[in-house]
Amino acid sequence: DTEVTQTPKHLVMGMTNKKSLKCEQHMGHRAMYWYKQKAKKPPELMFVYSYEKLSINESVPSRFSPECPNSSLLNLHLHALQPEDSALYLCASSQERGRDTQYFGPGTRLTVL
Amino acid sequence: AQSVTQLGSHVSVSEGALVLLRCNYSSSVPPYLFWYVQYPNQGLQLLLKYTSAATLVKGINGFEAEFKKSETSFHLTKPSAHMSDAAEYFCAVTSNFGNEKLTFGTGTRLTIIP
Repeated sequence: DTEVTQTPKHLVMGMTNKKSLKCEQHMGHRAMYWYKQKAKKPPELMFVYSYEKLSINESVPSRFSPECPNSSLLNLHLHALQPEDSALYLCASSQERGRDTQYFGPGTRLTVL
Repeated sequence: AQSVTQLGSHVSVSEGALVLLRCNYSSSVPPYLFWYVQYPNQGLQLLLKYTSAATLVKGINGFEAEFKKSETSFHLTKPSAHMSDAAEYFCAVTSNFGNEKLTFGTGTRLTIIP
């Protein structure tokens, strides 16, 4: 089974709201990733958790806050987002960070009004 | 730094015709190469990967790709296109060294003409 699940599938939020995206995998993978994908563009890496230690893409604004409660779960907390943050947010996992195949979830379509 | 270049942002082929999607890579170390497919409003699905074993890699849905070091290429092919192959295709590269991230190409949108 190579399934990564993400909830919710769609999310609409205002610029003052606080919301969270959730990702889960039960493949025993030790690395998990958040990507942002704008229309007609490739995914851009936002954060990596490897053995529950965080690596950050320095260009990601602080209104995005990742959390890894355990090795199977990954959250992305959203606060005071801007309309340009509207995108498809993809979660992925891999056995180890680096060379191993990343398996992607179906994504959360986020719209910021 | 590693990178991949996908030639042709849009490719159209007739149903039943050969599919050829081009990917060239740049890497100072032996690369690991991937092809992913993305259907509208969905996540990325792995088609196939090259990890320094056989140079001809077979994937799902009848796709295959050949690693050619002399040409720094990893082109994706399918002998006979099906309507269900219409999607966005991404080539990606990483390596076995350190904590390299997965670097994607800009993608190729494949359209199948009935």
